Amino acid sequence: DADVTQTPRNRITKTGKRIMLECSQTKGHDRMYWYRQDPGLGLRLIYYSFDVKDINKGEISDGYSVSRQAQAKFSLSLESAIPNQTALYFCATSDLQGYEQYFGPGTRLTVT
Amino acid sequence: QKEVEQNSGPLSVPEGAIASLNCTYSDRGSQSFFWYRQYSGKSPELIMFIYSNGDKEDGRFTAQLNKASQYVSLLIRDSQPSDSATYLCAVGYTGNQFYFGTGTSLTVIP
Repeated sequence: DADVTQTPRNRITKTGKRIMLECSQTKGHDRMYWYRQDPGLGLRLIYYSFDVKDINKGEISDGYSVSRQAQAKFSLSLESAIPNQTALYFCATSDLQGYEQYFGPGTRLTVT
Repeated sequence: QKEVEQNSGPLSVPEGAIASLNCTYSDRGSQSFFWYRQYSGKSPELIMFIYSNGDKEDGRFTAQLNKASQYVSLLIRDSQPSDSATYLCAVGYTGNQFYFGTGTSLTVIP
């Protein structure tokens, strides 16, 4: 089984809809991250969490919110989706040293 | 603004040649440096990380760091067609925030 899983893998939604992307990990890592990847813009950090009670905004947090339900679960929500949030979204985890990030398989989100 | 710059490519090399990938970063407070490989439609996977000035070798891969020039590179020796992918440079800062470059597309021609 994969160490970092993301659901759904693909999603098409309409402008204005609320959507949640979920991430689960079995690596036992405390640190979890949400990124989006756009062609020509690379990976950009949306939110990160160092433990259940610690949530931090990243480079591009506007329009997004997150919830750390447990050490193993970190969800990303788009309260009112807009077309420029169409992107590939990755969840990642790292250990306390943060030497390596392990990425989930990604969620391809399309907002029409 | 913490910027990480990479030449987007595409970079093409013949099989067996050395591929050289380059990355520059803007913030001298950078503490750690990473190279990820990403196949089309897949998630990034770590190839190497480096923290100190100089070279670090792992098999066919060598990472080079020059903090004075704010420059990090990745050399791939004896390039194989399976090395064809996009290579992402990432820079880490205090607090375990990571900033990624836009990636360099590498094609190894058989």
